[in-house]
Amino acid sequence: AQTVTQSQPEMSVQEAETVTLSCTYDTSESDYYLFWYKQPPSRQMILVIRQEAYKQQNATENRFSVNFQKAAKSFSLKISDSQLGDAAMYFCAYRGTQGGSEKLVFGKGTKLTVNP
Amino acid sequence: TAGITQAPTSQILAAGRSMTLRCTQDMRHNAMYWYRQDLGLGLRLIHYSNTAGTTGKGEVPDGYSVSRANTDDFPLTLASAVPSQTSVYFCASSMGRGVGTEAFFGQGTRLTVV
Repeated sequence: AQTVTQSQPEMSVQEAETVTLSCTYDTSESDYYLFWYKQPPSRQMILVIRQEAYKQQNATENRFSVNFQKAAKSFSLKISDSQLGDAAMYFCAYRGTQGGSEKLVFGKGTKLTVNP
Repeated sequence: TAGITQAPTSQILAAGRSMTLRCTQDMRHNAMYWYRQDLGLGLRLIHYSNTAGTTGKGEVPDGYSVSRANTDDFPLTLASAVPSQTSVYFCASSMGRGVGTEAFFGQGTRLTVV
């Protein structure tokens, strides 16, 4: 079964600085999708960025970018120019493409604090 | 567009009672999911449905049941609630098998079993 590991339960960053959240996963599939979700105190789950495994280019969405290392099964999220509104729980998630593996599997999350 | 709606938003339930958490989506998504979120454990999959008429067990299915009579609705039932089922429950939906689009989430239901 696929697993997702986020090794940093908590992280903090100064406003305007850059922070990187780590995520590793385990899978035997070659084609899959990876996601980062943000959960602010409102409890809403918000998609931050996604990456298709067959694409070598790292995904970027404004201040958010990923470092996707397929061979190492690593998928880290970099937040540049951190803002107070970035404070939230961040979840890394994996979704396979083979039969029975379409479920979204989540890591345990990283709580990000942004200090003014 | 409503997207995906859960009801109730929160509930206090006596142990041993039954309850159904409701989930409705208007995006015509094939796949739907139920997760529970607990502090330090992230989101764990309870049950899922790849398409109307089919369901499957996730990581933590015991004590829960689901049905998928149509595309839009995916209720989660606790037959006899226990305190360990105190959690925040999220319903989600996505386009379906083999499609890499993201899952859309409801606002969650906070359930307290006393």
